Amino acid sequence: DAKTTQPPSMDCAEGRAANLPCNHSTISGNEYVYWYRQIHSQGPQYIIHGLKNNETNEMASLIITEDRKSSTLILPHATLRDTAVYYCIVRLPGQGGSEKLVFGKGMKLTVNP
Amino acid sequence: DAGVIQSPRHEVTEMGQEVTLRCKPISGHNSLFWYRQTMMRGLELLIYFNNNVPIDDSGMPEDRFSAKMPNASFSTLKIQPSEPRDSAVYFCASSLAHVANTEAFFGQGTRLTVV
Repeated sequence: DAKTTQPPSMDCAEGRAANLPCNHSTISGNEYVYWYRQIHSQGPQYIIHGLKNNETNEMASLIITEDRKSSTLILPHATLRDTAVYYCIVRLPGQGGSEKLVFGKGMKLTVNP
Repeated sequence: DAGVIQSPRHEVTEMGQEVTLRCKPISGHNSLFWYRQTMMRGLELLIYFNNNVPIDDSGMPEDRFSAKMPNASFSTLKIQPSEPRDSAVYFCASSLAHVANTEAFFGQGTRLTVV
């Protein structure tokens, strides 16, 4: 029951910015947008999340459109270690506990030398 | 903290045998998630707990699967009897959630092979 749509794959040159799109046209007003990634054979790793405003941390930036129907994860200077499957997830806020964290198919990002 | 710890890392068992997967969440976390990952079906949420109470087990495939969380520092996922189609990587994740969701931290997974 993933509520997001991502392209299946994308390539990026090492050192360049990687812009990963995600559509979530049915997002409700109180749902957050989360990004995780999974490097081969490891458990998923949290990257960033946001509600309305753009967010930035040491790993990436998240740009959410004003209507909240889509977002873009930006890796400013992609490295070979950023090659992974990236998951965009929409999720309700918790109320005294976590809500479901459901992964879709994700998008395979390959960073090329 | 050592992170989420899962054991065993690898398990090979014969069809029909009981399999128990174990998870130790990060100390202080109050939410715990079990996932199964296969090439065909991707990463599936099986069940999750808040404060040791199962909240949603709709992803548990059938009665052969059961999960428990007897205390805040330990959870098990049991398959009895196991079948070859249960072969997958099983992940456990934990998070600290109060008013808002926070990030979930995943273990390294248990690779289960049922022959």
